[in-house]
Amino acid sequence: GDSVTQMEGPVTLSEEAFLTINCTYTATGYPSLFWYVQYPGEGLQLLLKATKADDKGSNKGFEATYRKETTSFHLEKGSVQVSDSAVYFCALSDKQGAQKLVFGQGTRLTINP
Amino acid sequence: ETGVTQSPTHLIKTRGQQVTLRCSSQSGHNTVSWYQQALGQGPQFIFQYYREEENGRGNFPPRFSGLQFPNYSSELNVNALELDDSALYLCASSLPGQGTRGELFFGEGSRLTVL
Repeated sequence: GDSVTQMEGPVTLSEEAFLTINCTYTATGYPSLFWYVQYPGEGLQLLLKATKADDKGSNKGFEATYRKETTSFHLEKGSVQVSDSAVYFCALSDKQGAQKLVFGQGTRLTINP
Repeated sequence: ETGVTQSPTHLIKTRGQQVTLRCSSQSGHNTVSWYQQALGQGPQFIFQYYREEENGRGNFPPRFSGLQFPNYSSELNVNALELDDSALYLCASSLPGQGTRGELFFGEGSRLTVL
């Protein structure tokens, strides 16, 4: 079945550092890809999405590009802030049937001032 | 503020008991999904309801059941609780349109501990 694999955490960076969180997927069709974020004490929130190959999703300075050839959707940010500390989840959704999301295991990110 | 509210926020049950978790969807959203998130793991899809009918189910046994009401609120029921059912249960609402597929609005969850 479909699956998502994220880089192991936790990840600790200093403020203004460059961030990459790797995500690769396995899917039988052409899924849509997502990054969700879970801030402390809050529910999961959609951060960005891409629905087809070569699409780039972006939001709040974060970017991710749908790479079909490498089945990847890596999350990047050029300069992280303390407020970016959260757990990040990569996810995919197939385009048929129920709106089911398949999530990776999550990557906890801590940004130190 | 996503507008999805869940209750209770925390609860403790013993093995063999039954539990009901509740969810109010974001206004205008007629699709609701439930996910189970074990500690340190990503959420896993339990099932989805659209217009009061189940229209998709993950790899969970029949003792996990649900309801969706005409006002789009929802319940998750788990019978014969097992220790492994201890987790954060997330409710998510969404619109059914293709353009918003996968864009879910999550509540903060109900944390269930089974002793």
